[in-house]
Amino acid sequence: DTAVSQTPKYLVTQMGNDKSIKCEQNLGHDTMYWYKQDSKKFLKIMFSYNNKELIINETVPNRFSPKSPDKAHLNLHINSLELGDSAVYFCASSPGQAGNEKLFFGSGTQLSVL
Amino acid sequence: AQSVTQLGSHVSVSEGALVLLRCNYSSSVPPYLFWYVQYPNQGLQLLLKYTTGATLVKGINGFEAEFKKSETSFHLTKPSAHMSDAAEYFCAVSGGGATNKLIFGTGTLLAVQP
Repeated sequence: DTAVSQTPKYLVTQMGNDKSIKCEQNLGHDTMYWYKQDSKKFLKIMFSYNNKELIINETVPNRFSPKSPDKAHLNLHINSLELGDSAVYFCASSPGQAGNEKLFFGSGTQLSVL
Repeated sequence: AQSVTQLGSHVSVSEGALVLLRCNYSSSVPPYLFWYVQYPNQGLQLLLKYTTGATLVKGINGFEAEFKKSETSFHLTKPSAHMSDAAEYFCAVSGGGATNKLIFGTGTLLAVQP
């Protein structure tokens, strides 16, 4: 069983479209995250939820909207996709939200906007 | 504010040679420090972390790192490189607050030559 699973693994779409990426964790963790990895491999946090409550919201365009229907799921919806949104998006989870906790990452969703 | 600097975006070693990947951090609070590894087309996995206590930390796959407060460093080492160690390595810092906001370095790509 994959601990943190994301779908789809690859997403190719046109500019202006709306798309969603889904994430599920079966570890019983309280906290989930979305990270963006750009073409230079730089990783930056976008959002974090703890028990369905938004706790970290970095400077991200409001075209990006996370949704956590329950603590095992954190989805990312992106409106009006732009070329600059092309990246690998990683979902992660941790038992709690403390700064010393290990993150468990999914295998990533490679988004290509044409 | 916290930040991480990884010296050397590419490091190449021979199989059996010492691996040394450098990481320096900046933090206004006592830091929590991490090394994560990313194999091709996969998510990140935790190698090791320093939170408190012993400054020499041992991780998986024979890696270790030493927290040196006076040098603000957390370099990663392995006595003898193996071909399977070829991957991207990320140093990260968090700390202090109630939210786990990991700040990643820009990564070091380790190549292992036969």
